[in-house]
Amino acid sequence: DAKTTQPTSMDCAEGRAANLPCNHSTISGNEYVYWYRQIHSQGPQYIIHGLKNNETNEMASLIITEDRKSSTLILPHATLRDTAVYYCIVRVYTNAGKSTFGDGTTLTVKP
Amino acid sequence: GAVVSQHPSWVICKSGTSVKIECRSLDFQATTMFWYRQFPKQSLMLMATSNEGSKATYEQGVEKDKFLINHASLTLSTLTVTSAHPEDSSFYICSARDPSQAVVYGYTFGSGTRLTVV
Repeated sequence: DAKTTQPTSMDCAEGRAANLPCNHSTISGNEYVYWYRQIHSQGPQYIIHGLKNNETNEMASLIITEDRKSSTLILPHATLRDTAVYYCIVRVYTNAGKSTFGDGTTLTVKP
Repeated sequence: GAVVSQHPSWVICKSGTSVKIECRSLDFQATTMFWYRQFPKQSLMLMATSNEGSKATYEQGVEKDKFLINHASLTLSTLTVTSAHPEDSSFYICSARDPSQAVVYGYTFGSGTRLTVV
């Protein structure tokens, strides 16, 4: 898996957009960018993934730079329940289950 | 979406005893499941890959004789921590993939099992 770099922590005001960056400068052409989050004492929850195009689902948007060396997860209207550790993972799709989790970003949404 | 259930949610056991943790895929069949361990304030670490009908594959540094994995059916994998010691106290999490929904949901994780060895 390509190595990823994320900020240790971020704060966001409730109702505002939360933009979580991830650097993956060594990403290979066949590697996808996955985002998961882990709320305290729970298992990780899948959020979104993409290869090179921007993606959007009911939870978030994923913006991947043209050179694919970095990406941003966007939670459009953060709520208190979005407080969690967010993990950016880069891996080949066929090897998706064997995830290498880094330290992630602890997002704290404040009222 | 795909649901992965873990049982128990938490368990306390005495040092030297064994503990079994179950991971079930509730509405899909999973030929492969993964087991992770997470110590307090640390990230998840992959322990092993559980393969239905065959031996598990362990990551480097994980003792296969201590962490016994059995994947006897397409919906159930079990992790048994044998002769548990306080240093085995951790949060154990499993994950699996619903082949019919992998593109949408990626891998689904269980809710985890908090093991405390006293």
